[in-house]
Amino acid sequence: GQQLNQSPQSMFIQEGEDVSMNCTSSSIFNTWLWYKQDPGEGPVLLIALYKAGELTSNGRLTAQFGITRKDSFLNISASIPSDVGIYFCAGSPNAGGTSYGKLTFGQGTILTVHP
Amino acid sequence: DTAVSQTPKYLVTQMGNDKSIKCEQNLGHDTMYWYKQDSKKFLKIMFSYNNKELIINETVPNRFSPKSPDKAHLNLHINSLELGDSAVYFCASSHSTTGRGHMFFGSGTQLSVL
Repeated sequence: GQQLNQSPQSMFIQEGEDVSMNCTSSSIFNTWLWYKQDPGEGPVLLIALYKAGELTSNGRLTAQFGITRKDSFLNISASIPSDVGIYFCAGSPNAGGTSYGKLTFGQGTILTVHP
Repeated sequence: DTAVSQTPKYLVTQMGNDKSIKCEQNLGHDTMYWYKQDSKKFLKIMFSYNNKELIINETVPNRFSPKSPDKAHLNLHINSLELGDSAVYFCASSHSTTGRGHMFFGSGTQLSVL
């Protein structure tokens, strides 16, 4: 089946630093999503990308849909302690959405921010 | 109001028991899911229901039986629990045509089988 390789697996940074993480796939996805999971909670959607090359921002977060449709990137600028959590990329082969849950998730990036 | 709510939050039980997890969404979505998150935090789809009909069943043992009495509810019943079933189970929902990938997750049920 389709697999997503997400890296890095974990990051330890100082407050104020910028963060980058990425996801790569062996096959094409037509929708890329980035989620954040806080401890004891379910994942929450941060950014959705629907078009190759698309660059979308949500506050200090910026994500890009790779031009090859096989990768995506998430950047967090000027990190703060509440950015702590697990960040997941997810991809769907269907354009425009999840299409009954055919979402493949990356392994997650655990982010720790030191004050 | 919680959009996707699942109960219980924690479930500790003995091997061999049967247990259920309930899920309800008040978002008016037509599609609901069950995901399993293992100890390494990997999220894997188990089931997907659209308008109460099973759409996805991802090689899950038949000890797991989802039931969707209506579009707003998707419950998960597990028979003869095994140690390997210990994980966090997430319910989620989305709208299949207008949702554009916006899947909403519940806060999870941490299942511990002893």
